[in-house]
Amino acid sequence: EAQVTQNPRYLITVTGKKLTVTCSQNMNHEYMSWYRQDPGLGLRQIYYSMNVEVTDKGDVPEGYKVSRKEKRNFPLILESPSPNQTSLYFCASSLLRPNTGELFFGEGSRLTVL
Amino acid sequence: AQSVTQLDSQVPVFEEAPVELRCNYSSSVSVYLFWYVQYPNQGLQLLLKYLSGSTLVKGINGFEAEFNKSQTSFHLRKPSVHISDTAEYFCAVSDLNTDKLIFGTGTRLQVFP
Repeated sequence: EAQVTQNPRYLITVTGKKLTVTCSQNMNHEYMSWYRQDPGLGLRQIYYSMNVEVTDKGDVPEGYKVSRKEKRNFPLILESPSPNQTSLYFCASSLLRPNTGELFFGEGSRLTVL
Repeated sequence: AQSVTQLDSQVPVFEEAPVELRCNYSSSVSVYLFWYVQYPNQGLQLLLKYLSGSTLVKGINGFEAEFNKSQTSFHLRKPSVHISDTAEYFCAVSDLNTDKLIFGTGTRLQVFP
């Protein structure tokens, strides 16, 4: 089954404790992206990757890091989480450029930073 | 820069009634337009998209949207909603000059029996 898999789905952590949210897709998509969803703000792009070893900042990259060492994986790293990073995070991928093709989303990772 | 406005944050409606969810975008020479749906506790999935051609676009689950260039709108419609249509709906826009897809803030459709 074609899918985007995120882990963990739910996480409660404390300020400053490094964490990684993994994302993996099995569709051989070149494009991958991370979004955060906050009430009243919709989806905002954090980072994206057009291909292996190619990553770029989105609209809200502060406090986050990403890497794209393999085509299928695109982990999101919070080196020192803060409470304002409490949010619902989505990973997405697409075969074509995202402005023309269909984005496939994971089921989301709800992060709470205390 | 391109932007998207979904004026209605919530739309309550009774089952079998028609519904329209509004979406307006900032003017641009060329745009691609999308509607995504997010069911409770799930990720977003594509409902329909307009790239070119007919301005009336049909999507999954009986939804359709009409691209109106003069009014810079891409409203989503369904003639008769079901309880299962309860979800959050996101309009998204891109332009041909960037790789970005800009999402609106979402409209929560609540269908009551």
